Amino acid sequence: KAGVTQTPRYLIKTRGQQVTLSCSPISGHRSVSWYQQTPGQGLQFLFEYFSETQRNKGNFPGRFSGRQFSNSRSEMNVSTLELGDSALYLCASSYRGEGASPLHFGNGTRLTVT
Amino acid sequence: AQTVTQSQPEMSVQEAETVTLSCTYDTSESDYYLFWYKQPPSRQMILVIRQEAYKQQNATENRFSVNFQKAAKSFSLKISDSQLGDAAMYFCAYRGQGGSEKLVFGKGTKLTVNP
Repeated sequence: KAGVTQTPRYLIKTRGQQVTLSCSPISGHRSVSWYQQTPGQGLQFLFEYFSETQRNKGNFPGRFSGRQFSNSRSEMNVSTLELGDSALYLCASSYRGEGASPLHFGNGTRLTVT
Repeated sequence: AQTVTQSQPEMSVQEAETVTLSCTYDTSESDYYLFWYKQPPSRQMILVIRQEAYKQQNATENRFSVNFQKAAKSFSLKISDSQLGDAAMYFCAYRGQGGSEKLVFGKGTKLTVNP
């Protein structure tokens, strides 16, 4: 079974631009979460989707948005990029069954804003 | 809000020896889940072990085991017979019992394994 796939792996953008990152979950997983990882702030929760609905959102400005499609694939968008948005963006999927269904992470997208 | 603290930014261990990574957390919830994830240089977060708070028995996965002390809100990871492939960043994470699968992560511990 294929793991969580994130594209692209690396991205370089300029301040003020916007960017879209993509995440394909493990087959059969309907829950997708996004995290931002930086050296200073560590891993921070961005948002969580299940059945195309946003279930939870982290403490990020409105420039950060996401969506989930009917096939459970998810995208996140960052508009008006700032230097501080440079980070590793990790996507995770889960079956969201009973109990502690673990999150399965992708390899991440490394975004650099110049 | 829940917080997770890993007080050891870096640790090192000799190959074949045992090392313990510390994690404490703060929560007012009675039911929750705790996880240890490993992040090698490849960047992918890999689940090492998980613990349900309602279970008193400590979780074990091969060479990895935890010492879960609910009253002390402590969740340490013990790695036995350390191998070179164990070198990575280790993150402790908390998830509440509610409908969200949001994880709250600690800052991580960088583990170096010396041959």
